[in-house]
Amino acid sequence: GENVEQHPSTLSVQEGDSAVIKCTYSDSASNYFPWYKQELGKGPQLIIDIRSNVGEKKDQRIAVTLNKTAKHFSLHITETQPEDSAVYFCAAFTPSGFQKLVFGTGTRLLVSP
Amino acid sequence: EPEVTQTPSHQVTQMGQEVILRCVPISNHLYFYWYRQILGQKVEFLVSFYNNEISEKSEIFDDQFSVERPDGSNFTLKIRSTKLEDSAMYFCASNGGGYEQYFGPGTRLTVT
Repeated sequence: GENVEQHPSTLSVQEGDSAVIKCTYSDSASNYFPWYKQELGKGPQLIIDIRSNVGEKKDQRIAVTLNKTAKHFSLHITETQPEDSAVYFCAAFTPSGFQKLVFGTGTRLLVSP
Repeated sequence: EPEVTQTPSHQVTQMGQEVILRCVPISNHLYFYWYRQILGQKVEFLVSFYNNEISEKSEIFDDQFSVERPDGSNFTLKIRSTKLEDSAMYFCASNGGGYEQYFGPGTRLTVT
């Protein structure tokens, strides 16, 4: 089955810096890759996603890139703000898994003022 | 903006007791899911549900677990005889037919 690896597990940056979180997946049939932000005590919130027919997608300060050949995708946050502090999860969806999302292990992002 | 809701937010139960976790998916969504997250770990798939039947389940979802859509709005997860290792956050999610899955705020289940 699909396996998703995520790095780093923790990331500390200064406000205004950029942050990059990387994920790799194992199933070449995976075709949808969402990113979720989870704040303390809350459920995962979908913040951006990318499909396998697209190499990059941007939404204001966040962007996601996908390298299908290497089977990895990354989340980029520019001009980080303290409110970006949270745990970020990547996930992969394999069609054969009937829309089951397989999550990475999460990255705790801390943005210091 | 429509959202998935879950009740209760926190459930404490004794080992061996039955619990029912409730979810109200986004209206008009067709696919429903339960995931769980043990403290400090990643989110894990439990079960998917479509057209009033289970579509897929993980190895975690054994005979102690069941799901039901008792009416047009609720989606429930039942654990018949809870174990200490069932302590976790349980998230409900729904999907309207596209790729995006939207998660509820979760129910923290504590088994003592």
